[in-house]
Amino acid sequence: DTGVSQDPRHKITKRGQNVTFRCDPISEHNRLYWYRQTLGQGPEFLTYFQNEAQLEKSRLLSDRFSAERPKGSFSTLEIQRTEQGDSAMYLCASSLDSPKGSMNTEAFFGQGTRLTVV
Amino acid sequence: AQKITQTQPGMFVQEKEAVTLDCTYDTSDPSYGLFWYKQPSSGEMIFLIYQGSYDQQNATEGRYSLNFQKARKSANLVISASQLGDSAMYFCAMRRPSGGYNKLIFGAGTRLAVHP
Repeated sequence: DTGVSQDPRHKITKRGQNVTFRCDPISEHNRLYWYRQTLGQGPEFLTYFQNEAQLEKSRLLSDRFSAERPKGSFSTLEIQRTEQGDSAMYLCASSLDSPKGSMNTEAFFGQGTRLTVV
Repeated sequence: AQKITQTQPGMFVQEKEAVTLDCTYDTSDPSYGLFWYKQPSSGEMIFLIYQGSYDQQNATEGRYSLNFQKARKSANLVISASQLGDSAMYFCAMRRPSGGYNKLIFGAGTRLAVHP
């Protein structure tokens, strides 16, 4: 296992179309995160999974966005009825569980999926 | 609001020189973690260094060191002996318990260019 992989790396879609991205985390990692990064900005948190349970969602995740991690392994992020404002890099990250109170668990990131909505 | 501020949109450094990238943070939590990530043009975020709020010593990892000044709420990254391959975006990030142990909050980043 060489790290977090994301597919596709690039996606161009017309406004109004649906798109789905896939993330394969590091195999022993039970935590999985999705972030969105727009040009010139740092990544912004979208959602978090602990195994198959989606435990936290950002207000950035509108009703058009849905994320799943059905078997606690890979995850998908779907955007319905895409808008030009959805154009961004979508980053997936995974990590091991950390002991309660521990802040230092490193998150490993994939190379991202760059979405362009035209 | 909990936030990370990186005031340097871009920095230039001569190869083999040292460079400091600034980061200030704002949190009311006594326990938190601070991270630096490097993002080359390929897009992947690469973990560089971590500093815990209760750590007594500044973190070091090879050519990277973190100048942690808790009272000033700053966590500057120092890269010694810069190399051409250090040219990239650098992001400071924070994790704190009151926001869930889970997510990282990132600053806007600093673009570092290393010149030969």
